[in-house]
Amino acid sequence: NAGVMQNPRHLVRRRGQEARLRCSPMKGHSHVYWYRQLPEEGLKFMVYLQKENIIDESGMPKERFSAEFPKEGPSILRIQQVVRGDSAAYFCASSGGESSTDTQYFGPGTRLTVL
Amino acid sequence: TQLLEQSPQFLSIQEGENLTVYCNSSSVFSSLQWYRQEPGEGPVLLVTVVTGGEVKKLKRLTFQFGDARKDSSLHITAAQPGDTGLYLCATIQGAQKLVFGQGTRLTINP
Repeated sequence: NAGVMQNPRHLVRRRGQEARLRCSPMKGHSHVYWYRQLPEEGLKFMVYLQKENIIDESGMPKERFSAEFPKEGPSILRIQQVVRGDSAAYFCASSGGESSTDTQYFGPGTRLTVL
Repeated sequence: TQLLEQSPQFLSIQEGENLTVYCNSSSVFSSLQWYRQEPGEGPVLLVTVVTGGEVKKLKRLTFQFGDARKDSSLHITAAQPGDTGLYLCATIQGAQKLVFGQGTRLTINP
């Protein structure tokens, strides 16, 4: 029973390039969350998606960042025109239902480095 | 300002010692979670506490939720090098949004 999968695990981009981070939720899970962790800090919520819908994007920067969770395939976090400040670990989590007591299971993260 | 304040931020102790880390807030929570994150990995849920005054044990780890549900503590007995990691407390806000403290980075020296 595979857990949450993220790829790539490490991503290096130059300033101005695009970064695409992928997340495959646990089998049977239809709720996906993205979090960002800056060095030496805790995780900060970015966005919560269900299949084909964005439920809460209150943590997403207003520009350059977008997220999707299509009917088929993984969830994608897309960062356009990356800047050095985007360097961080990006974690995806998934859960099976809408209850606030449903556990979110985290993937291993994608470590983005912007040169 | 952080909703959840964790202390200490860093803690380095010798194997076999006991320790307590704290998660404090001025807000009341319906539940609070503790996670451990190892280097290069995502956080793993250790426990959820929901009732004021609740105490939960996980082997050598003891978690307590404050009576007023504003704070929590994690006590580790006879720490081992395998306990090394970043310990995060978190609570749910709104529609499933997890809000984390900044974490306590624990190092257990052999």
